[in-house]
Amino acid sequence: AQRVTQPEKLLSVFKGAPVELKCNYSYSGSPELFWYVQYSRQRLQLLLRHISRESIKGFTADLNKGETSFHLKKPFAQEEDSAMYYCALKRGGSTLGRLYFGRGTQLTVWP
Amino acid sequence: DVKVTQSSRYLVKRTGEKVFLECVQDMDHENMFWYRQDPGLGLRLIYFSYDVKMKEKGDIPEGYSVSREKKERFSLILESASTNQTSMYLCASSPIRKSVTGELFFGEGSRLTVL
Repeated sequence: AQRVTQPEKLLSVFKGAPVELKCNYSYSGSPELFWYVQYSRQRLQLLLRHISRESIKGFTADLNKGETSFHLKKPFAQEEDSAMYYCALKRGGSTLGRLYFGRGTQLTVWP
Repeated sequence: DVKVTQSSRYLVKRTGEKVFLECVQDMDHENMFWYRQDPGLGLRLIYFSYDVKMKEKGDIPEGYSVSREKKERFSLILESASTNQTSMYLCASSPIRKSVTGELFFGEGSRLTVL
């Protein structure tokens, strides 16, 4: 079985402060990890995926297989980063595209 | 631009009513999904389909059924709505080639209230 855990339901930081949204997973195989974001009144959308090793909107996330974590980080938070963030896992090699989501973290960036 | 359209943004139904939630995508995607989004519970998969007339149960299929008669349309059916089905319902789709990359394209959601 697989499980995605986001320990923080709510997270608040001030503008310009670093932010880290935590994500831990359990899965016996080789997972693929993703972060999805939902801004207020917008659709849920893909933010980044670990395979791409990219930085999107200043956010990065590194897959740590030893700690089974995929934390999302940004060195200087902006007010427009306020949103709901979901960590998601896909079974490695799966072609069905099914994702398993965590419970989400609501990030608020204060001015 | 990929478009996933959910026909009803807001619905109010009474307990016991039959409810249809419709989802249409215009990008010829093979995979379609219905998720339920609840505060504190995240997204939970109800059903998904990887081809016309094919369906697979997700994690919480009880009380729901689905229909996929055409590739572009995936319907979620509540045979007899109950108050605990009050929720936000999200439809998503992806082409098979994107299954490898894990990118889903979501609709705007249908907020259902069952009285």
